[in-house]
Amino acid sequence: FMLTQPHSVSESPGKTVTISCTRSSGSIASNYVQWYQQRPGSAPTTVIYEDTQRPSGVPDRFSGSIDSSSNSASLTISGLRTEDEADYFCQSYDGSDQVFGGGTKLTVL
Amino acid sequence: VQLVQSGAEVKKPGESLKISCKGSGFGFTNYWIAWVRQMPGKGLEWMGLIYPGDSDTRYSPSFQGRVTISADKSISTAYLQWSSLKASDTAMYYCATFSGQGYWGQGTLVTVSS
Repeated sequence: FMLTQPHSVSESPGKTVTISCTRSSGSIASNYVQWYQQRPGSAPTTVIYEDTQRPSGVPDRFSGSIDSSSNSASLTISGLRTEDEADYFCQSYDGSDQVFGGGTKLTVL
Repeated sequence: VQLVQSGAEVKKPGESLKISCKGSGFGFTNYWIAWVRQMPGKGLEWMGLIYPGDSDTRYSPSFQGRVTISADKSISTAYLQWSSLKASDTAMYYCATFSGQGYWGQGTLVTVSS
């Protein structure tokens, strides 16, 4: 299966942005979705795991959800800050096969 | 929890290479360790997984036969190796765990150039 993300999104500081991740086949609810943030020149870090869970240290401005009707997962970032500008990748799996979305570049104008 | 990877490498086409990923602060033996490729300016690609406890290894079809993943549980270290590098192997390589909140290594930059 594939995970499809928008190539880029942009929003102003203080606003809210939502990044989608659509699963091409199989149910989005059947396997957990993770979200990773990657700032330029740095390794990815987890911002959401198991669909909706936030690691310790990740602000509650970050939230995750899944929508079975659209077979997609979403990452929502509220109260945008310039430091949120980064690439965001969704990831899921089927058995032992791992799949990444193509990534979304978030620009905070 | 830490995954610490070996340093950057510069190699010539046809040469072999083995890079490493040492885990600490968690039960390394009981976690699947993944390798992920990121080519310059591109996204993340899953290469394969290993379970250090019994060395059960799974490969992405895109990388099967092109790389070898191994582990030494006695020193909590996973490895990614090539027998004959190509220029197209130039990339950043990450190790990671995807269990629970997941952790990533800092990455190893591999440059293959004549």
